[in-house]
Amino acid sequence: DSGVTQTPKHLITATGQRVTLRCSPRSGDLSVYWYQQSLDQGLQFLIQYYNGEERAKGNILERFSAQQFPDLHSELNLSSLELGDSALYFCASSVEQENSPLHFGNGTRLTVT
Amino acid sequence: DQQVKQNSPSLSVQEGRISILNCDYTNSMFDYFLWYKKYPAEGPTFLISISSIKDKNEDGRFTVFLNKSAKHLSLHIVPSQPGDSAVYFCAARDNNAGNMLTFGGGTRLMVKP
Repeated sequence: DSGVTQTPKHLITATGQRVTLRCSPRSGDLSVYWYQQSLDQGLQFLIQYYNGEERAKGNILERFSAQQFPDLHSELNLSSLELGDSALYFCASSVEQENSPLHFGNGTRLTVT
Repeated sequence: DQQVKQNSPSLSVQEGRISILNCDYTNSMFDYFLWYKKYPAEGPTFLISISSIKDKNEDGRFTVFLNKSAKHLSLHIVPSQPGDSAVYFCAARDNNAGNMLTFGGGTRLMVKP
Protein backbone atom coordinates (compact mmCIF):
# COMPACT_ATOMS: atom_id res chain seq x y z
CA ASP A 1 0.00 0.00 0.00
CA SER A 2 1.59 3.25 -1.20
CA GLY A 3 -0.51 5.43 1.09
CA VAL A 4 -1.92 7.37 -1.88
CA THR A 5 -5.69 7.02 -2.20
CA GLN A 6 -7.61 7.61 -5.39
CA THR A 7 -11.36 7.62 -5.86
CA PRO A 8 -13.34 6.42 -7.66
CA LYS A 9 -11.65 3.28 -8.99
CA HIS A 10 -13.84 3.19 -12.07
CA LEU A 11 -15.86 5.85 -13.86
CA ILE A 12 -18.05 5.38 -16.91
CA THR A 13 -19.55 8.44 -18.51
CA ALA A 14 -20.72 9.80 -21.84
CA THR A 15 -19.05 12.15 -24.29
CA GLY A 16 -19.50 15.81 -23.44
CA GLN A 17 -19.79 15.17 -19.72
CA ARG A 18 -17.60 16.39 -16.87
CA VAL A 19 -16.02 14.27 -14.13
CA THR A 20 -13.90 14.85 -11.04
CA LEU A 21 -11.16 12.51 -9.89
CA ARG A 22 -9.94 12.71 -6.33
CA CYS A 23 -6.57 11.98 -4.74
CA SER A 24 -5.33 11.96 -1.14
CA PRO A 25 -1.54 11.99 -0.91
CA ARG A 26 0.63 10.11 1.55
CA SER A 27 0.76 11.65 4.99
CA GLY A 28 3.42 14.36 5.00
CA ASP A 29 3.77 14.66 1.23
CA LEU A 30 3.16 18.18 -0.03
CA SER A 31 3.49 17.45 -3.76
CA VAL A 32 0.80 15.83 -5.85
CA TYR A 33 1.21 14.78 -9.48
CA TRP A 34 -1.34 13.64 -12.04
CA TYR A 35 -0.47 11.24 -14.85
CA GLN A 36 -2.48 9.73 -17.69
CA GLN A 37 -1.90 6.25 -19.09
CA SER A 38 -3.66 5.38 -22.34
CA LEU A 39 -3.89 1.93 -23.94
CA ASP A 40 -0.97 0.23 -22.15
CA GLN A 41 1.35 3.08 -23.03
CA GLY A 42 3.71 4.93 -20.75
CA LEU A 43 2.55 7.41 -18.17
CA GLN A 44 2.18 10.96 -19.44
CA PHE A 45 2.69 13.78 -16.93
CA LEU A 46 -0.24 16.16 -16.69
CA ILE A 47 0.30 18.53 -13.80
CA GLN A 48 1.98 18.96 -10.39
CA TYR A 49 0.82 20.85 -7.32
CA TYR A 50 2.92 21.71 -4.31
CA ASN A 51 1.25 22.82 -1.09
CA GLY A 52 -1.73 24.23 -2.94
CA GLU A 53 0.13 25.94 -5.75
CA GLU A 54 0.60 24.77 -9.32
CA ARG A 55 4.26 23.83 -9.70
CA ALA A 56 4.62 22.30 -13.16
CA LYS A 57 2.49 21.59 -16.19
CA GLY A 58 2.90 18.86 -18.73
CA ASN A 59 0.73 17.69 -21.61
CA ILE A 60 -2.55 18.72 -20.02
CA LEU A 61 -5.45 19.68 -22.26
CA GLU A 62 -7.27 22.96 -21.72
CA ARG A 63 -10.42 20.94 -20.99
CA PHE A 64 -8.64 19.50 -17.95
CA SER A 65 -7.90 21.35 -14.74
CA ALA A 66 -6.71 20.48 -11.28
CA GLN A 67 -6.41 21.96 -7.85
CA GLN A 68 -4.94 21.10 -4.48
CA PHE A 69 -6.86 21.99 -1.34
CA PRO A 70 -5.60 23.15 2.08
CA ASP A 71 -5.83 19.60 3.42
CA LEU A 72 -3.51 18.66 0.50
CA HIS A 73 -5.95 16.42 -1.33
CA SER A 74 -6.19 17.10 -5.03
CA GLU A 75 -8.88 16.91 -7.67
CA LEU A 76 -8.52 16.53 -11.41
CA ASN A 77 -11.47 17.89 -13.39
CA LEU A 78 -12.06 16.62 -16.91
CA SER A 79 -14.72 18.39 -18.98
CA SER A 80 -16.27 18.11 -22.45
CA LEU A 81 -15.14 14.52 -22.42
CA GLU A 82 -14.19 12.80 -25.65
CA LEU A 83 -13.76 9.10 -26.45
CA GLY A 84 -9.99 9.61 -26.53
CA ASP A 85 -9.99 10.69 -22.88
CA SER A 86 -10.65 7.09 -21.87
CA ALA A 87 -7.56 6.13 -19.89
CA LEU A 88 -6.12 5.33 -16.50
CA TYR A 89 -5.47 8.44 -14.44
CA PHE A 90 -2.86 8.09 -11.73
CA CYS A 91 -2.10 10.38 -8.86
CA ALA A 92 1.27 10.32 -7.13
CA SER A 93 2.75 12.16 -4.20
CA SER A 94 6.23 12.85 -2.92
CA VAL A 95 8.27 14.85 -0.50
CA GLU A 96 9.84 17.81 -2.25
CA GLN A 97 13.37 16.54 -1.98
CA GLU A 98 16.08 15.76 -4.46
CA ASN A 99 16.26 12.09 -5.43
CA SER A 100 12.97 11.16 -3.80
CA PRO A 101 10.66 8.79 -5.68
CA LEU A 102 7.01 9.37 -6.49
CA HIS A 103 4.50 7.08 -4.82
CA PHE A 104 1.46 6.22 -6.90
CA GLY A 105 -2.13 5.44 -6.12
CA ASN A 106 -3.99 2.62 -7.85
CA GLY A 107 -5.54 4.92 -10.39
CA THR A 108 -8.99 5.77 -11.69
CA ARG A 109 -10.07 4.00 -14.88
CA LEU A 110 -12.16 6.40 -16.95
CA THR A 111 -14.30 5.06 -19.76
CA VAL A 112 -16.01 7.56 -22.04
CA THR A 113 -18.78 6.06 -24.18
CA ASP B 1 9.64 13.32 -28.87
CA GLN B 2 10.10 10.37 -26.52
CA GLN B 3 12.86 11.26 -24.09
CA VAL B 4 12.80 7.86 -22.36
CA LYS B 5 12.47 4.70 -24.43
CA GLN B 6 12.07 1.05 -23.59
CA ASN B 7 12.54 -0.69 -26.91
CA SER B 8 11.46 -4.16 -25.80
CA PRO B 9 7.70 -4.31 -25.19
CA SER B 10 8.02 -7.77 -23.69
CA LEU B 11 10.53 -10.22 -22.26
CA SER B 12 10.16 -13.86 -21.30
CA VAL B 13 12.60 -15.52 -18.88
CA GLN B 14 12.82 -18.87 -17.12
CA GLU B 15 12.50 -18.91 -13.34
CA GLY B 16 15.90 -18.73 -11.66
CA ARG B 17 17.61 -17.05 -14.62
CA ILE B 18 18.57 -13.41 -14.98
CA SER B 19 16.13 -10.82 -16.35
CA ILE B 20 17.65 -7.77 -18.01
CA LEU B 21 15.41 -4.84 -18.84
CA ASN B 22 16.81 -1.95 -20.84
CA CYS B 23 16.08 1.74 -21.11
CA ASP B 24 17.53 4.54 -23.22
CA TYR B 25 17.16 8.27 -22.76
CA THR B 26 17.97 11.33 -24.84
CA ASN B 27 17.89 14.22 -22.37
CA SER B 28 21.40 14.75 -21.02
CA MET B 29 19.96 16.85 -18.18
CA PHE B 30 18.37 13.81 -16.55
CA ASP B 31 20.22 13.12 -13.30
CA TYR B 32 18.00 10.68 -11.41
CA PHE B 33 16.63 7.43 -12.74
CA LEU B 34 14.05 5.03 -11.34
CA TRP B 35 12.44 1.70 -12.06
CA TYR B 36 8.82 1.00 -11.24
CA LYS B 37 6.95 -2.29 -11.31
CA LYS B 38 3.26 -2.42 -12.17
CA TYR B 39 0.80 -5.24 -11.66
CA PRO B 40 -2.62 -5.18 -13.36
CA ALA B 41 -5.22 -3.03 -11.60
CA GLU B 42 -2.56 -1.45 -9.39
CA GLY B 43 -0.48 1.69 -9.55
CA PRO B 44 3.24 1.66 -10.33
CA THR B 45 5.34 0.65 -7.35
CA PHE B 46 8.78 2.14 -6.82
CA LEU B 47 11.48 -0.51 -7.12
CA ILE B 48 14.94 1.00 -7.23
CA SER B 49 16.67 4.20 -8.27
CA ILE B 50 20.08 5.57 -9.16
CA SER B 51 21.61 9.01 -9.14
CA SER B 52 23.74 10.12 -12.07
CA ILE B 53 26.79 10.30 -9.81
CA LYS B 54 26.73 6.50 -9.55
CA ASP B 55 26.93 3.76 -12.14
CA LYS B 56 25.41 0.94 -10.09
CA ASN B 57 22.90 0.51 -7.30
CA GLU B 58 21.91 -2.80 -5.77
CA ASP B 59 18.97 -3.82 -3.61
CA GLY B 60 18.59 -7.52 -2.99
CA ARG B 61 17.82 -9.29 -6.25
CA PHE B 62 17.57 -5.99 -8.13
CA THR B 63 20.51 -4.05 -9.57
CA VAL B 64 20.33 -0.95 -11.74
CA PHE B 65 23.25 0.00 -13.98
CA LEU B 66 23.71 3.45 -15.49
CA ASN B 67 25.92 4.22 -18.50
CA LYS B 68 25.81 7.99 -18.86
CA SER B 69 27.97 8.18 -21.96
CA ALA B 70 25.59 5.82 -23.75
CA LYS B 71 22.52 7.34 -22.09
CA HIS B 72 21.46 3.85 -21.15
CA LEU B 73 20.31 2.13 -18.01
CA SER B 74 19.34 -1.41 -17.27
CA LEU B 75 17.64 -3.35 -14.51
CA HIS B 76 18.93 -6.81 -13.62
CA ILE B 77 16.80 -9.22 -11.63
CA VAL B 78 18.66 -12.25 -10.30
CA PRO B 79 17.29 -14.83 -9.78
CA SER B 80 13.99 -14.16 -11.51
CA GLN B 81 10.85 -15.41 -9.80
CA PRO B 82 7.31 -15.93 -11.16
CA GLY B 83 6.12 -13.14 -8.85
CA ASP B 84 8.34 -10.74 -10.76
CA SER B 85 6.01 -11.04 -13.75
CA ALA B 86 4.73 -7.49 -14.27
CA VAL B 87 5.21 -4.42 -16.43
CA TYR B 88 8.41 -2.53 -15.64
CA PHE B 89 8.68 1.18 -16.30
CA CYS B 90 11.87 3.14 -16.49
CA ALA B 91 11.62 6.81 -15.45
CA ALA B 92 13.95 9.79 -15.35
CA ARG B 93 14.09 13.22 -13.81
CA ASP B 94 15.98 16.46 -14.25
CA ASN B 95 16.30 17.54 -10.63
CA ASN B 96 16.78 21.14 -11.69
CA ALA B 97 13.48 21.14 -13.59
CA GLY B 98 11.22 19.90 -10.84
CA ASN B 99 10.28 16.56 -9.39
CA MET B 100 8.09 15.18 -12.15
CA LEU B 101 9.18 11.99 -13.84
CA THR B 102 9.35 11.17 -17.54
CA PHE B 103 8.41 7.56 -18.18
CA GLY B 104 9.28 5.01 -20.81
CA GLY B 105 6.58 2.91 -22.45
CA GLY B 106 7.18 -0.14 -20.25
CA THR B 107 8.39 -3.71 -20.73
CA ARG B 108 6.18 -6.65 -19.85
CA LEU B 109 8.25 -9.30 -18.06
CA MET B 110 7.00 -12.87 -17.92
CA VAL B 111 8.87 -15.29 -15.67
CA LYS B 112 8.00 -18.89 -16.47
CA PRO B 113 8.10 -21.52 -13.72
